[in-house]
Amino acid sequence: EDQVTQSPEALRLQEGESSSLNCSYTVSGLRGLFWYRQDPGKGPEFLFTLYSAGEEKEKERLKATLTKKESFLHITAPKPEDSATYLCAVQANGGKLIFGQGTELSVKP
Amino acid sequence: NAGVTQTPKFQVLKTGQSMTLQCAQDMNHNSMYWYRQDPGMGLRLIYYSASEGTTDKGEVPNGYNVSRLNKREFSLRLESAAPSQTSVYFCASRWSSYNSPLHFGNGTRLTVT
Repeated sequence: EDQVTQSPEALRLQEGESSSLNCSYTVSGLRGLFWYRQDPGKGPEFLFTLYSAGEEKEKERLKATLTKKESFLHITAPKPEDSATYLCAVQANGGKLIFGQGTELSVKP
Repeated sequence: NAGVTQTPKFQVLKTGQSMTLQCAQDMNHNSMYWYRQDPGMGLRLIYYSASEGTTDKGEVPNGYNVSRLNKREFSLRLESAAPSQTSVYFCASRWSSYNSPLHFGNGTRLTVT
């Protein structure tokens, strides 16, 4: 069964304390993996697409990486404005897009 | 640079009332989607339209209908609202059915009493 699991469910960091969010997946053929950021009361905002193992994408303090079984979203020296829920979604063969439950990140000054 | 626009932003309905949620995108995307987001359930697909003129059921279609009015607009109708349909509804669009990311609107917060 196609499945996407994000961990941890919630993460509290101090400003400047780097960490990683995990998205593990089991799907019948990966067509793409997407990371989103969602702020309270807003729709998910697209961050990155990764298509193949070994691929990396960066944007400001965020870096996304992909292996054959999981993706990591690394946050370097986070700031309070990085606080949000981060969602990953996996596009599988056959057209199904599967979302994880999200990681709620809180960065305290 | 509007992207995906949803109306209304908030709505309160009584059980049995009907309403239509509107969605429009200005990115010339082919595919459009309706999701609902509930605490602990994540995003669940209600209906989608892979291209203009086609619509298909998603994971949770019961109690909903959709219309792909043209390439830009995709509406979601609740014919007889139930408290179980209290949720946040998101419309999304993307260039094609595969490989390209979804772009979301900011949602409609619906309460059914």
